[in-house]
Amino acid sequence: GQQVMQIPQYQHVQEGEDFTTYCNSSTTLSNIQWYKQRPGGHPVFLIQLVKSGEVKKQKRLTFQFGEAKKNSSLHITATQTTDVGTYFCASADGLTFGKGTHLIIQP
Amino acid sequence: DSGVTQTPKHLITATGQRVTLRCSPRSGDLSVYWYQQSLDQGLQFLIQYYNGEERAKGNILERFSAQQFPDLHSELNLSSLELGDSALYFCASSVGSGGPLSYNEQFFGPGTRLTVL
Repeated sequence: GQQVMQIPQYQHVQEGEDFTTYCNSSTTLSNIQWYKQRPGGHPVFLIQLVKSGEVKKQKRLTFQFGEAKKNSSLHITATQTTDVGTYFCASADGLTFGKGTHLIIQP
Repeated sequence: DSGVTQTPKHLITATGQRVTLRCSPRSGDLSVYWYQQSLDQGLQFLIQYYNGEERAKGNILERFSAQQFPDLHSELNLSSLELGDSALYFCASSVGSGGPLSYNEQFFGPGTRLTVL
């Protein structure tokens, strides 16, 4: 099956700073999904990207799908304490998840 | 609340024992997925059922088995438990059968935390 690698594993930011997590695949992806898991919670679907070069925004979150459809990124502008959690990308088949990026926010 | 229910929330058992985890998908969802999440590990896909039939298989151990019943609820059976099986087990559901060309938003349940002593 497909494999996706995520970096960084952990990211500490000051509240108000921006945050970016990256997802990379060695093979071309049909689409890619992003999920968020709050501490002690369950993963919650954020978005699915399908088209090469696609960019989608959800308030302060910006999702990008690379031109070659081998990488994706999630960028959060001006982080807030509610953004704390682990962000996962998942491969096209929706079954292979990256190990996630843990976002830790210092007030 | 995702609409997916899992029971029990917590389970503590001993090595060598067998347990059954239960999942009820959202109303209308035909697919059920099982995932294992260990400390500092991502979500490891175990198995997917679609409308009662096995659809995809991941890194599921032979000691583990699952099934989906006619009412679409699913059970994950874990036997000959080992210490390393201690983890959070999530069930997720989706409307369709999944696959790389489909829109496949998964709704996760709250999970069952299994502790093997």
